[in-house]
Amino acid sequence: DQQVKQNSPSLSVQEGRISILNCDYTNSMFDYFLWYKKYPAEGPTFLISISSIKDKNEDGRFTVFLNKSAKHLSLHIVPSQPGDSAVYFCAANVGQGAQKLVFGQGTRLTINP
Amino acid sequence: GAGVSQSPSNKVTEKGKDVELRCDPISGHTALYWYRQSLGQGLEFLIYFQGNSAPDKSGLPSDRFSAERTGGSVSTLTIQRTQQEDSAVYLCASSLGTSPYNEQFFGPGTRLTVL
Repeated sequence: DQQVKQNSPSLSVQEGRISILNCDYTNSMFDYFLWYKKYPAEGPTFLISISSIKDKNEDGRFTVFLNKSAKHLSLHIVPSQPGDSAVYFCAANVGQGAQKLVFGQGTRLTINP
Repeated sequence: GAGVSQSPSNKVTEKGKDVELRCDPISGHTALYWYRQSLGQGLEFLIYFQGNSAPDKSGLPSDRFSAERTGGSVSTLTIQRTQQEDSAVYLCASSLGTSPYNEQFFGPGTRLTVL
């Protein structure tokens, strides 16, 4: 039972344009969502997060949008840079004081010069 | 640097053998997590430790898997009688606590291959 889904295994975007990565979830109990970025041979690193009480959180070039009614979140990167090429995972946490994250399968983003 | 370290980085073993994977968390982090990533899948939660509390083992896939954390620091994940489906990258993470606002810092992982 895949509670967090990233339906696009890969995405290719031209440098300078906007990258949009999507994530869907099924568990309405999720109350905190995170995006992680992963380079080859490295562990994931935290990128940005959003609480379920918000619908948008912005940090520099990165913005996460949450649509609770659709159980959908997205990560926007603008402008995209070559260093953004990585695998992006969305994750969700049901809270309750235990940060047991449920991850999606990941989307490989490639930024073309 | 003082990040999360894991050893070995790669482990190849034969089916039926036992393996031990080690994780050194960031100093001062009270919470420690183990995840695994199978090919084409997302990260799957296995177990977490918080301070001196009993670990949450709810993600362990079978009783062949166990983990311990000695002295509130280093953790070892043990897989007994390995099977081919155990092949995956095993990732360890640590955080200051278990609040959702405590960022989890991940190590580079151990790639386990069971032949």
